[in-house]
Order: sequence, then structure tokens, then C-alpha cells
Amino acid sequence: QVQLVQSGAEVKKPGSSVKVSCKASGGTFSSYTISWVRQAPGQGLEWMGRIIPILGIANYAQKFQGRVTITADKSTSTAYMELSSLRSEDTAVYYCARDGPCSGGSCEYYFDYWGQGTLVTVSS
Amino acid sequence: SYELTQPPSVSVSPGQTARITCSGDALPKQYAYWYQQKPGQAPVLVIYKDSERPSGIPERFSGSSSGTTVTLTISGVQAEDEADYYCQSADSSGTYLHVVFGGGTKLTVL
Repeated sequence: QVQLVQSGAEVKKPGSSVKVSCKASGGTFSSYTISWVRQAPGQGLEWMGRIIPILGIANYAQKFQGRVTITADKSTSTAYMELSSLRSEDTAVYYCARDGPCSGGSCEYYFDYWGQGTLVTVSS
Repeated sequence: SYELTQPPSVSVSPGQTARITCSGDALPKQYAYWYQQKPGQAPVLVIYKDSERPSGIPERFSGSSSGTTVTLTISGVQAEDEADYYCQSADSSGTYLHVVFGGGTKLTVL
């Protein structure tokens, strides 16, 4: 059974950065793809980007290009999401999630396991 | 841009059938996925590849697709099904990978 455990809540000042971790257990971390999805208070879900740990390749949503960095450490089975130049609108719960499988160059872009979420509050 | 449209709310009495729709121009070419989210919890995948049900999801949850609309059907709705439901799809054909969610539908069990 795959489990994704995220780091704790953060309070940040506008203009600063935040780095959230997501530690995986169960299955083979290197064979996963891990995505990050956020949810502002009372709002819907928003995909930010993903990383394929075995390749170290990340894809980002166009909206977050240049402001988000997703990395992975295979030795600790941990993925990270760093968001910079924080503003109040970035206040949200940030989730990591495991993507569906890829084979033959084609991927299933759904999320079958989710972390518990990390609340990031941006406030002066 | 790639968008998915859901009704904001659906209400149904216990034991009845709830149908939640999701519309998007790319849905004839791309799979749709559905998630259930209860307050304070992470989303749970309930349907993948339009109509497949993950293990552990009750049989009363089903999905279907017709043209630009996909539908999540919950037969014999129970009180525990009250939640927000999100459709999701993805388009990898362009320069950027677009993963999009619908705005969500709040299912109220009367």
C-alpha cells in the first residue's frame, strides 16, 4: 500500500519561498510519477506540476512556470515542491499525489494516492 | 485553454440516483477521471479512464462518456456520499502538459 506523508503547516511572508516535502513508502518510488496539486480555501483543485524521479524530469503547469520547482531524492523516497515569490493568493493546502502509470511513452494522468495535505499560509 | 465545466451543485434523496456531468471540448479525445472529496480530507479517486472503478470503490459509482460530456453516476445514494466531486482530464499533445480539474460539484443528500 502506497503512503505519501507530507511536511507540516507553514506560515510565510509575502515575497518569500516555501518548500514542502512528500515522503513515499510502499511500492517503488523510482517508478512513480509524483504531482503537486493545490486547493485555495473554499476553492477547487489546481495542478501545479509533476516529476518522474527515475528520470529527474519535471513538467510544470504554464501558470507556475518560473515560480515552482519540483525535485525528488530517490535515496529518501521524497519529493519536494518549492514555490517562490509567495503572495497572499498562494495561501492553500498543497497536496502531493501519485500519478497513474506510464508505458510505451503514454501516461495515465490520474492521481490514485494522495498525501494528507500541507497548509501554507502567506501573510504579512 | 483547456477547461472542464461542472454544475456547482446537485441534490438527491437517499436511495435515488445522482448524476454529475462534466463538459469539455477535448473530452472526446482524452480520458476523464473523477474524485470525491469530503471536508478536511484529501481527494479520493473514484473513476478512472472514463468508466473504470478502482478497487475498494463501491459498485454504485459508475462513469460514462458521450461526446464532449462525461457523467459520474451514483446509484442508490447514501448519506456518506455527500461530498464535493471533481472531474479531471489531461492533454499532452501540445508544448505544455495540461492537467485540468473541473470546478467541482457539491453533492447534497437531502
